[in-house]
Amino acid sequence: DAKTTQPPSMDCAEGRAANLPCNHSTISGNEYVYWYRQIHSQGPQYIIHGLKNNETNEMASLIITEDRKSSTLILPHATLRDTAVYYCIVRGVGNTPLVFGKGTRLSVIA
Amino acid sequence: GAVVSQHPSRVICKSGTSVKIECRSLDFQATTMFWYRQFPKQSLMLMATSNEGSKATYEQGVEKDKFLINHASLTLSTLTVTSAHPEDSSFYICSARSPLAGGRNEQFFGPGTRLTVL
Repeated sequence: DAKTTQPPSMDCAEGRAANLPCNHSTISGNEYVYWYRQIHSQGPQYIIHGLKNNETNEMASLIITEDRKSSTLILPHATLRDTAVYYCIVRGVGNTPLVFGKGTRLSVIA
Repeated sequence: GAVVSQHPSRVICKSGTSVKIECRSLDFQATTMFWYRQFPKQSLMLMATSNEGSKATYEQGVEKDKFLINHASLTLSTLTVTSAHPEDSSFYICSARSPLAGGRNEQFFGPGTRLTVL
């Protein structure tokens, strides 16, 4: 079972920041928070991951609360091509596979 | 880097036939590969995990004799759906992982194969 809770859907105006929340209140100390997205009829795409520090890359920023019980994925300037289902996943080290929850369907509106 | 391909991208077959789907890691060696399936408007469901050279580990409820997985090399895994039925129609997605791929240990996903069984 997925260990995360996300809102089922969100809308965002094009050019604005999209802030996608995720709750993972049962996360363990050695578990990472991963974010993937899936554009319609494609395979999931890696976005970013983190352990406890905030992370930023060319796609997004990941803000993890100090208690690590929740996080927020930030797309700084959403475009129409960012419309997708966004999955927040908690995974430990080693060879455990990613287990997907229901994700958040983000619709970017012109 | 870290590209995963699948073939075919789309297949239509008759009920009772078998279908083979290939998954390849193009620019890295995948020590572990995963197979997922996704029904319309649902999330990805893990079917099985395979390590190169050993038998796949199937998730509860997935029939190992129906979904044959072969991970014969570090760059190729195949999923064969045997005696396919309409309820097997789904989007099948493979994923590959290597600690060295892209400098990270996350999973990289293929583009998926849409199977339609008539």
